[in-house]
Amino acid sequence: SQQGEEDPQALSIQEGENATMNCSYKTSINNLQWYRQNSGRGLVHLILIRSNEREKHSGRLRVTLDTSKKSSSLLITASRAADTASYFCATDEGNTGKLIFGQGTTLQVKP
Amino acid sequence: DTAVSQTPKYLVTQMGNDKSIKCEQNLGHDTMYWYKQDSKKFLKIMFSYNNKELIINETVPNRFSPKSPDKAHLNLHINSLELGDSAVYFCASSATGERGEQYFGPGTRLTVT
Repeated sequence: SQQGEEDPQALSIQEGENATMNCSYKTSINNLQWYRQNSGRGLVHLILIRSNEREKHSGRLRVTLDTSKKSSSLLITASRAADTASYFCATDEGNTGKLIFGQGTTLQVKP
Repeated sequence: DTAVSQTPKYLVTQMGNDKSIKCEQNLGHDTMYWYKQDSKKFLKIMFSYNNKELIINETVPNRFSPKSPDKAHLNLHINSLELGDSAVYFCASSATGERGEQYFGPGTRLTVT
């Protein structure tokens, strides 16, 4: 069954603004990962946060994880037109590497 | 220097045909995956192989048969194609024991007419 649900499904902002995407999941996880997918391309790994971590940064990305609420958020600061893409959260259930993906948030950054 | 490659990129075929999609990775990873992404962008894992051994086999029709001739290759063969098989199929790989990030290929867009 689908694990992650993302909110909002679509987001449109102006260049320079911040974008926040949220992800909720249902069961215990080892880690939660965020991926980006540009139109017509494969997914690219952005950041991984382990279940015992609460916040992680990578460049303009900030990810938070609240295991008590089974939710995560991805913040992109000072967005650029090149950030236009779909963003997916994925949860790692166990040791097999099986990732359960959310339905994604489509982000449009207007120049 | 492509990390994960798939061929073909586009595949248009008629119902009832049999087709294969090939995947190769040059990252030295020992785990490879096949995912299906539908028209609503929902991405679902189909299969996973670790060192040529099948470790994940989701509820997928047995018309789909993965084959891993070696650690660097994972092919997907589909028999008796149906309209509902139309989707984008992604291959991915990862290194066992590392933090779990997966590297995706560019995808194969399959259209069944």
